Amino acid sequence: GENVEQHPSTLSVQEGDSAVIKCTYSDSASNYFPWYKQELGKRPQLIIDIRSNVGEKKDQRIAVTLNKTAKHFSLHITETQPEDSAVYFCAASNNAGNMLTFGGGTRLMVKP
Amino acid sequence: DTEVTQTPKHLVMGMTNKKSLKCEQHMGHRAMYWYKQKAKKPPELMFVYSYEKLSINESVPSRFSPECPNSSLLNLHLHALQPEDSALYLCASSLRQGTNYGYTFGSGTRLTVV
Repeated sequence: GENVEQHPSTLSVQEGDSAVIKCTYSDSASNYFPWYKQELGKRPQLIIDIRSNVGEKKDQRIAVTLNKTAKHFSLHITETQPEDSAVYFCAASNNAGNMLTFGGGTRLMVKP
Repeated sequence: DTEVTQTPKHLVMGMTNKKSLKCEQHMGHRAMYWYKQKAKKPPELMFVYSYEKLSINESVPSRFSPECPNSSLLNLHLHALQPEDSALYLCASSLRQGTNYGYTFGSGTRLTVV
């Protein structure tokens, strides 16, 4: 089955700095890579996703890059704000079942 | 309607009780999922329903019994649970299984087994 590793487990940045979270996956058949943000006590919310036919995708301050050869993908948040503080999960799935396998999560803390 | 609604939000039950969790969506999604999330851990898949039929059971103990009465509803029946089953139970839906669409998660039911 798929295995997704996520680093770092915690990340502390100053407001306005950039944050980068990295994930690796094991199954070469995986072709869909979403990122979820989960605030304390709330539901995971999809913030951005990328499919394997695309190398990079950007949505305002958030961007995701994918390297299929190396089997890794990354989340980039620029100009971080205190409201970006949350746990971020990467995930991977393939067409066979659309079952998401999640990484272990990164707790991002943005200091004002 | 773009939400997945879960009830109840909180549930405390004894080990001999029988209770049910409910999940509802009206987005026309035909794939629905139950996930279990322990504190500071990622969600773990329990069950997948596709077109109201159980398609995946991730070796979940029989004390958890899922049910999908129609395309909008998903239930999780609980019986004889253990304290280690205490967790946040998340329901999610997506347009279809078998192709890659993002999930919409419900807010979850926080379950405590005493």
